[in-house]
Amino acid sequence: GEDVEQSLFLSVREGDSSVINCTYTDSSSTYLYWYKQEPGAGLQLLTYIFSNMDMKQDQRLTVLLNKKDKHLSLRIADTQTGDSAIYFCAEKEGAGSYQLTFGKGTKLSVIP
Amino acid sequence: KAGVTQTPRYLIKTRGQQVTLSCSPISGHRSVSWYQQTPGQGLQFLFEYFSETQRNKGNFPGRFSGRQFSNSRSEMNVSTLELGDSALYLCASSFDRIEQFFGPGTRLTVL
Repeated sequence: GEDVEQSLFLSVREGDSSVINCTYTDSSSTYLYWYKQEPGAGLQLLTYIFSNMDMKQDQRLTVLLNKKDKHLSLRIADTQTGDSAIYFCAEKEGAGSYQLTFGKGTKLSVIP
Repeated sequence: KAGVTQTPRYLIKTRGQQVTLSCSPISGHRSVSWYQQTPGQGLQFLFEYFSETQRNKGNFPGRFSGRQFSNSRSEMNVSTLELGDSALYLCASSFDRIEQFFGPGTRLTVL
């Protein structure tokens, strides 16, 4: 079955770059996502990448995809205290499926 | 454009009771999915609806059910509540089957 793994914690200093990593096992994944969850809130879609792409940049966010190694990363440039949250990696199978499989989430702590 | 709304936001029930949660998708979105989030199991897919039809179901017992109405609003029902059903229940809507937008969730506590 599908499995998505992430490290549980990451701590960075304000102004530095953060890199959150994720590995997945389903080779049929078509889209890979990054969501952000702040305390007491739902999930906010940050960005996503199609499986035939290597990189996607959106303002301070850069997503890198290594399909051969099934490795996905999210880089946040100039990390701010407002970026402190839990970040979830998720994968979606074929175009006919709506189901997302999530990792356990990486808690990012930004030190002022 | 209004986001996904879920009601109620908080709910306290006792074991054995049943509960109904409601989700209103973003205007124009016909797909609604439900997820359960717990500290132990993380985010788990419950089911998805598109045009009033259940398209996919996760690995949950039959006590968990749902439906979708003609206006795309969706409800999920949990019967015979157990302590382990305490969770944040999240609803997501989608227009293009690619981007899924989540609501704030309903926090269910079972005592």
